[in-house]
Amino acid sequence: KAGVTQTPRYLIKTRGQQVTLSCSPISGHRSVSWYQQTPGQGLQFLFEYFSETQRNKGNFPGRFSGRQFSNSRSEMNVSTLELGDSALYLCASSLFGTSTDTQYFGPGTRLTVL
Amino acid sequence: QKEVEQDPGPLSVPEGAIVSLNCTYSNSAFQYFMWYRQYSRKGPELLMYTYSSGNKEDGRFTAQVDKSSKYISLFIRDSQPSDSATYLCAMSEGSNYKLTFGKGTLLTVNP
Repeated sequence: KAGVTQTPRYLIKTRGQQVTLSCSPISGHRSVSWYQQTPGQGLQFLFEYFSETQRNKGNFPGRFSGRQFSNSRSEMNVSTLELGDSALYLCASSLFGTSTDTQYFGPGTRLTVL
Repeated sequence: QKEVEQDPGPLSVPEGAIVSLNCTYSNSAFQYFMWYRQYSRKGPELLMYTYSSGNKEDGRFTAQVDKSSKYISLFIRDSQPSDSATYLCAMSEGSNYKLTFGKGTLLTVNP
């Protein structure tokens, strides 16, 4: 069974640009969560989608947005990039996104903003 | 005060040592407690999952939760070089599936 895949794995952008990251969950998983990981703040929750609906959102500005498609694949978008957005962006999938579900993480997309 | 505090280390131990990793938290609503392991350039992988206070054992790993003290621990027995990784504690309230993570502890097990 294939794991969670994220594309691209590495990305370099400049300030002011926007970026779209993609996540394909494990087959059959309907919940997709996104996290930002930085050395200073650690792993921080961005948002969670289930059946194309955003159910939970973390404390990030509106420049961070996402969506989920009918096949459960998800994208996140960051507009007007800032230097502080440089981070590893991790996607995780689970069956239904309940507290007893196991979240499986992808390898992440390393975003560098210059 | 951050919701979850975890000593970032780094922690360096000889092979075969017992390793103790800890997190404290301030949010009484946390009900579910997890430990993840993250190797370099990889995503986190779930090691242990506990719900109630007490101990849970899985092979060389033991997770301990003390809700009264808001303190969780992970013990690794007979540590191996392959255990060298960053260990992250994570918690959720249960009403929604949002994980709050500690910053992680970098562990190195020396042969």
